[in-house]
Amino acid sequence: NAGVMQNPRHLVRRRGQEARLRCSPMKGHSHVYWYRQLPEEGLKFMVYLQKENIIDESGMPKERFSAEFPKEGPSILRIQQVVRGDSAAYFCASSPAAEANYGYTFGSGTRLTVV
Amino acid sequence: AQSVTQLDSHVSVSEGTPVLLRCNYSSSYSPSLFWYVQHPNKGLQLLLKYTSAATLVKGINGFEAEFKKSETSFHLTKPSAHMSDAAEYFCVVSVLGAAGNKLTFGGGTRVLVKP
Repeated sequence: NAGVMQNPRHLVRRRGQEARLRCSPMKGHSHVYWYRQLPEEGLKFMVYLQKENIIDESGMPKERFSAEFPKEGPSILRIQQVVRGDSAAYFCASSPAAEANYGYTFGSGTRLTVV
Repeated sequence: AQSVTQLDSHVSVSEGTPVLLRCNYSSSYSPSLFWYVQHPNKGLQLLLKYTSAATLVKGINGFEAEFKKSETSFHLTKPSAHMSDAAEYFCVVSVLGAAGNKLTFGGGTRVLVKP
């Protein structure tokens, strides 16, 4: 079991470019969550998805950010026209169900740097 | 709504001495509580979780935490710190809501272990 796989591990983008972050959940997990960690801060919830559905995107900025979890393939977090303030570590987590007592399994994160 | 407060942003201990990381939570419902550890430039690793069973929870690497409902606390302890314990620790509360299972992170406690 390979765990939650995120790629790339590091991503550098110039201002105005697009960033695409990928997350493959653990085998058998159908619930995916994206969190953002700004420097020197804890993780903040962004979006919760199940296969082909966005369940809760209350933590996602209204503009430039989107997420999907297609029937086949990884979940994608997409940031259009990146700005310096988007520089952060983005973590994906998965769980087998929406039970509160399941600890998520986190990936190693994608560290986005906008120059 | 739920929230988590980690009372110390930094803790410094000598190797071989006890470690205490303090966490208080608030939640409208019976929460599940977790402690995660993050080593520099790494992902998050689950140390332990409380899910309404025994109030004293034992985790990995010699850590344990005690759930005290009357004090709304979930402090993390280890009897003897090791150099490898230097990392950032996050207290997390989880409540199952209408939109699934969302984790709320504390601000983190950075642990420094002195030789």
